[in-house]
Parts: sequence; structure tokens; C-alpha cells
Amino acid sequence: AQSVAQPEDQVNVAEGNPLTVKCTYSVSGNPYLFWYVQYPNRGLQFLLKYITGDNLVKGSYGFEAEFNKSQTSFHLKKPSALVSDSALYFCAVRDESSASKIIFGSGTRLSIRP
Amino acid sequence: DAGVTQSPTHLIKTRGQQVTLRCSPKSGHDTVSWYQQALGQGPQFIFQYYEEEERQRGNFPDRFSGHQFPNYSSELNVNALLLGDSALYLCASRSQGHYGYTFGSGTRLTVV
Repeated sequence: AQSVAQPEDQVNVAEGNPLTVKCTYSVSGNPYLFWYVQYPNRGLQFLLKYITGDNLVKGSYGFEAEFNKSQTSFHLKKPSALVSDSALYFCAVRDESSASKIIFGSGTRLSIRP
Repeated sequence: DAGVTQSPTHLIKTRGQQVTLRCSPKSGHDTVSWYQQALGQGPQFIFQYYEEEERQRGNFPDRFSGHQFPNYSSELNVNALLLGDSALYLCASRSQGHYGYTFGSGTRLTVV
């Protein structure tokens, strides 16, 4: 069965420093991977997706993610963190049996200190 | 261009009652999925509707049911509410053949 794992419950970064939020995946075929962000009391906002093509995917708000097939990872990155990036981040993979079913990780809370 | 609209935003129900949540998909989208997000967890897939039929279902009991209307909007119904049904319920829409999922802001259901 497909799954994603987010090994860190929380990541703390100083403003202006680079940030990385880790995600590993497990699928039997080609993965369709996503990153979403959730602000308090809000729904999910799409950041970026990987379906095929370049391993470095650029998304919204200056975020990017690197797809690494050999390490089965899809880490989210940003060169310079902002306090406003503080939120809950979810990595997700599309279920191979249903294009409408997305399997989410447990989430990583990103905290950016001024 | 409106995104996914969900109503109501908040709801308080008593254990044993029934509830109906509503979702209007993004313009141009014809497929609607529902997710349950319990506090501190990632969203869990409930089911998906396309062409007014339930196409796929997650690991949720029959107390959870839904409907899709000809205009692609959807309802999620939960019967015999349990305290454990308290969660944020998210609706997501997409267009068949595409992988752009758009989520609504959710309905926060509290069962007391």
C-alpha cells in the first residue's frame, strides 16, 4: 500500500535561514507527490506537485521540492524562511488505485522565529 | 474564479444526531472527494463522487454517506454521530483526467 512518512513533528528555523521539511514515500509504481500547507483553522493550500519531469519542482510562495527516486524522498525546501511560513505542512501521495484519493502524511509543524 | 466552497464553517451537534455538510466544487471541476481531519492528524479519505455516484470509499463506516448533484456540488451526511466524529471535514475537487486538487477551508464539526 502507498504511504508517506514525515519523520519530524516539528521543525524550527530562524528567519532568513534555509528550511527543509522531510518526506519519504512508498509506492509500487511511479509516484504522484504533493505538498500542502495548512494555516490555523483553515483548509489545505496547494504548494506544489511532482508527476514527472525535472526532479526539482518549484511551487508557490518560493517553496520548492526535490524528488529523489533512489532515496524515495520528496523534501520541501525554501532558501530563506519567513515568519509567515510558520504553519502545518503535509506531504501526500496519490493512491495508485484512485486518482481522487490522496494519502497524507502526519504533518510537520514549521516554526520560524524572528 | 471561486475555489471550493464549504458550508457551514462550524457546527455543533449532539451525540446520536445526524449532520449534513455541503460543498460546491471549483468552477470547471466535476469530481468531489471528502476527507476527515482529526485534531493533530493528516486528512483521511472518506469517499469520492463522480457523475453523481460514489466511486471510491475509504475505511469509514456506513454512517458516512454522500451525494453529488447534477451541478457537481456534493453533500456529506453522517448519521448517529459519535464523539469521535468531531473533526475538520474537508472537501476537495478536481477535473477528471487532471491532478490539480483544490481543497475548501473545511467544516469544523464538534460532537458533544
